[in-house]
Amino acid sequence: DTGVSQNPRHKITKRGQNVTFRCDPISEHNRLYWYRQTLGQGPEFLTYFQNEAQLEKSRLLSDRFSAERPKGSFSTLEIQRTEQGDSAMYLCASRGTGGTGELFFGEGSRLTVL
Amino acid sequence: AQSVTQPDIHITVSEGASLELRCNYSYGATPYLFWYVQSPGQGLQLLLKYFSGDTLVQGIKGFEAEFKRSQSSFNLRKPSVHWSDAAEYFCAVAPLYNNNDMRFGAGTRLTVKP
Repeated sequence: DTGVSQNPRHKITKRGQNVTFRCDPISEHNRLYWYRQTLGQGPEFLTYFQNEAQLEKSRLLSDRFSAERPKGSFSTLEIQRTEQGDSAMYLCASRGTGGTGELFFGEGSRLTVL
Repeated sequence: AQSVTQPDIHITVSEGASLELRCNYSYGATPYLFWYVQSPGQGLQLLLKYFSGDTLVQGIKGFEAEFKRSQSSFNLRKPSVHWSDAAEYFCAVAPLYNNNDMRFGAGTRLTVKP
């Protein structure tokens, strides 16, 4: 168990560019979540996968955002045509089936849009 | 509406002093309850969780929390704070019927004075 891994840890980009973040969950976990965290706030839910199926999407996830989990293992979160308001920490979390909903978080990918 | 409130944005305590961080929630029924800690630039680590049974739960790093149904509260406590406890603390809740829907409070930043 190597924990949830996210990369890159920090991405600086210019407005209008596309960025992609990757998340590798704990290997036996079939559920994967993306959250966004802005300064001084708690994480906000973006989307959730069970295996390869994207089952829930928050209204925070605009059309410029797309997430995939093609083989039910790692996931990518792409932001197209970035805006300064996209600057945030993007957190990935995973968990297995059943249990009490405890999420295991990665260290996050911090996006800075100039 | 479902909500999680952490009334204290920032708390400062002296090393060795006791600590209590407050969390109140508003849900239709008792949800799953969690406390997470986040060090600067890092992801979230689970301190403890409550889902049923004994209302006083023990966690890692010497933390405990007490669930009070009548007050819809789940306050985090530690009898003696260490300098390494300085971090951001988040209370989170997930409803029993949909424990994918985890919501976080805005967080309480803890500063520890020497």
